[in-house]
Amino acid sequence: EPEVTQTPSHQVTQMGQEVILRCVPISNHLYFYWYRQILGQKVEFLVSFYNNEISEKSEIFDDQFSVERPDGSNFTLKIRSTKLEDSAMYFCASSVRGRGTEAFFGQGTRLTVV
Amino acid sequence: AQSVTQLGSHVSVSEGALVLLRCNYSSSVPPYLFWYVQYPNQGLQLLLKYTSAATLVKGINGFEAEFKKSETSFHLTKPSAHMSDAAEYFCAVSDQIGNQFYFGTGTSLTVIP
Repeated sequence: EPEVTQTPSHQVTQMGQEVILRCVPISNHLYFYWYRQILGQKVEFLVSFYNNEISEKSEIFDDQFSVERPDGSNFTLKIRSTKLEDSAMYFCASSVRGRGTEAFFGQGTRLTVV
Repeated sequence: AQSVTQLGSHVSVSEGALVLLRCNYSSSVPPYLFWYVQYPNQGLQLLLKYTSAATLVKGINGFEAEFKKSETSFHLTKPSAHMSDAAEYFCAVSDQIGNQFYFGTGTSLTVIP
């Protein structure tokens, strides 16, 4: 069964460093998403991506964040200068269509900023 | 704006007992509603979804949920809990305008043998 895969499963980084979280969405999906879950809190929407551009983003997704689909299969989230409060589980998701269709989620990358 | 409230961050049931996980939503437009399950060290897996068809929705693993517009609820039920149902359950809402999900805080289900 097709699935969304994320690498790495766990990333530890020093505050101020750049990190790139990687995702391979399901191959025939057109919409891609990043969500994050700070420990003990809600799963929060960060950004959605369609047709090689950002279609929606939340207020969390500020200038330190960027997304890219560099090669037609990978979908990456870059955090330029990590802060302690960026420590969270980051989920990538993809869907065939946008509105109202279910998203398929990866297993997540746990980012720890020290 | 859309939002979801899940009452009870932790629910414990005995094996074989009814499972009831509560979800109330707020949406200014007709919503799409989803339940996802997360097993330890895994991603979010779709259990079921409501997208304006039948109000009683059946999902995988014997779960079902009923959309009640008058109560703005979408509670998840299963008649008989199994040990393998122990997991974190998330209710989510999206609308017909945007394509993002709004998640609840999750309910951790423990099944007692």
